Amino acid sequence: KAGVTQTPRYLIKTRGQQVTLSCSPISGHRSVSWYQQTPGQGLQFLFEYFSETQRNKGNFPGRFSGRQFSNSRSEMNVSTLELGDSALYLCASRPRAGAFNEQFFGPGTRLTVL
Amino acid sequence: GENVEQHPSTLSVQEGDSAVIKCTYSDSASNYFPWYKQELGKGPQLIIDIRSNVGEKKDQRIAVTLNKTAKHFSLHITETQPEDSAVYFCAASKKGGSEKLVFGKGMKLTVNP
Repeated sequence: KAGVTQTPRYLIKTRGQQVTLSCSPISGHRSVSWYQQTPGQGLQFLFEYFSETQRNKGNFPGRFSGRQFSNSRSEMNVSTLELGDSALYLCASRPRAGAFNEQFFGPGTRLTVL
Repeated sequence: GENVEQHPSTLSVQEGDSAVIKCTYSDSASNYFPWYKQELGKGPQLIIDIRSNVGEKKDQRIAVTLNKTAKHFSLHITETQPEDSAVYFCAASKKGGSEKLVFGKGMKLTVNP
């Protein structure tokens, strides 16, 4: 079974631009969560989608948004990029909401904002 | 909201030694506590978890203990090996894991051969 796939793996943007990151979950997994990982703040929860509906949301500004498609693939978008948005963005999938013991992370997208 | 503190932030041990990572949480409603291992260039991987109705859980060389009264939980790795070198994260969640995971800031473990 293929793992969680994230594209692109690396991205360089400049301040003010917007970016879209993509996540393909493990086949059969319907829940997708996104996390931001930085050296200073560690892993911080962004949002979770289940069956195309946002189920949980972290404490991030409205510039961070996401969506999930009917095939469970998910995208997250960051508008008006700031230097502080430079981070590793991780996607994680699990078969259903609540099944954290069956959650698998992707390798992440490394975003650098210049 | 929930806050998870993790100590130490770095730990260096000799191969064969034991390593202990400690975490504290603030929300007494948290009842699911997973531990993740993140190797360089990879996403975190679940290595063990514990629920609040259990005080200790073991899986080969790793074990996790939970003290609900003190609101802290620990990861113990025995007979460490160089491949144990990684960043380890603790996390906490409410409602058996159906709420969002709140992570500690991680601990970089280095096992010297």
